[in-house]
Amino acid sequence: DGGITQSPKYLFRKEGQNVTLSCEQNLNHDAMYWYRQDPGQGLRLIYYSQIVNDFQKGDIAEGYSVSREKKESFPLTVTSAQKNPTAFYLCASSIGGLAGKTQYFGPGTRLTVL
Amino acid sequence: AQKITQTQPGMFVQEKEAVTLDCTYDTSDQSYGLFWYKQPSSGEMIFLIYQGSYDEQNATEGRYSLNFQKARKSANLVISASQLGDSAMYFCAMRGMNTGNQFYFGTGTSLTVIP
Repeated sequence: DGGITQSPKYLFRKEGQNVTLSCEQNLNHDAMYWYRQDPGQGLRLIYYSQIVNDFQKGDIAEGYSVSREKKESFPLTVTSAQKNPTAFYLCASSIGGLAGKTQYFGPGTRLTVL
Repeated sequence: AQKITQTQPGMFVQEKEAVTLDCTYDTSDQSYGLFWYKQPSSGEMIFLIYQGSYDEQNATEGRYSLNFQKARKSANLVISASQLGDSAMYFCAMRGMNTGNQFYFGTGTSLTVIP
């Protein structure tokens, strides 16, 4: 089945540690995205990538890093520089360049810093 | 700049009644798409309905319809015959031709369906 997978579903991290969230899609989509969602809040864009080996910062990129070495994969690293990383992280993908095409979302990863 | 505004933090509706969730937008793009997503408590984001800026007719998908008023820059979601399973967060989003791949989301509306 085509779709987006994120792993792990739940992640616990100690303060000061980097952690990487996985996002894989088999929809052959060019564009991929990472969003952060805090309780009761909307989605805030962290990073997005329009093509392989290229990505742009979103509204809240500080303390995060990404890579896009393959079309199917867009991992997000939450670094120790991120002051308040506890949140729900959503990965999404879409067909590139077409305003009429929706995003498809993964199931999300809940990150908790202990 | 693109901006989506959802002014209703929370809404209640009686089961089997219809409900309208408001969304207004601001964009300088001539060509753009408007989307609504549903987010149940499980956290997944479910695509509900799409409206193109050049579409003359309002979009409909089953019990969902989009009341598109281009001059007023509004794209309200109408849910008919509400069901208990409709209780969730609802997000309005926009994607502009000039911003290509970036989506802009509103802050969401929490809908509770009362039995």
